[in-house]
Amino acid sequence: GAGVSQSPSNKVTEKGKDVELRCDPISGHTALYWYRQSLGQGLEFLIYFQGNSAPDKSGLPSDRFSAERTGGSVSTLTIQRTQQEDSAVYLCASSLGPATSTGELFFGEGSRLTVL
Amino acid sequence: RKEVEQDPGPFNVPEGATVAFNCTYSNSASQSFFWYRQDCRKEPKLLMSVYSSGNEDGRFTAQLNRASQYISLLIRDSKLSDSATYLCVVLSGGYNKLIFGAGTRLAVHP
Repeated sequence: GAGVSQSPSNKVTEKGKDVELRCDPISGHTALYWYRQSLGQGLEFLIYFQGNSAPDKSGLPSDRFSAERTGGSVSTLTIQRTQQEDSAVYLCASSLGPATSTGELFFGEGSRLTVL
Repeated sequence: RKEVEQDPGPFNVPEGATVAFNCTYSNSASQSFFWYRQDCRKEPKLLMSVYSSGNEDGRFTAQLNRASQYISLLIRDSKLSDSATYLCVVLSGGYNKLIFGAGTRLAVHP
């Protein structure tokens, strides 16, 4: 597709379950970012990929959160043993190169996670 | 202290008004700055970059004050379609991490 694609768009889960969120970036974009946005809050940086490697994982809130990227393309964010405070919109973004060049990230529409 | 701080608003202005948003950042080593726009329940999109000398794009003017670590966005002749949340964004650190402020909400009314 032409833009960043994320799935699922909505996910409702029970506390303690694991969830996987998927991001398909724009073809050819080497940089990929995960952010999360809670209601009324700004975007919180989670992790950055350049190719398949993650030079910056500093934003992952706990060891329950992990992410991987394969083939320099699709990325998966996994949250284990979900907690209610994990409820948020998880946004994926990609850019052609490092953000220093233009600062332009192309965001997907997000995956809205609700933990009951 | 948050790395990027903004007045959350909302700013309620009539069509045609001029409105200004401010943003402060804490990391004096930050080099690049941007404004993004986010419509309700939509993804953020780049509005404009902020250059040291200040820059203008139509009705939008962005300015940077490095000494005070302060960024501003001025919108002239506001339109109804300008209603959105405006996010101040700072490039932080060596790994191309964009830090977003919590945003300032603008509502333009007829």
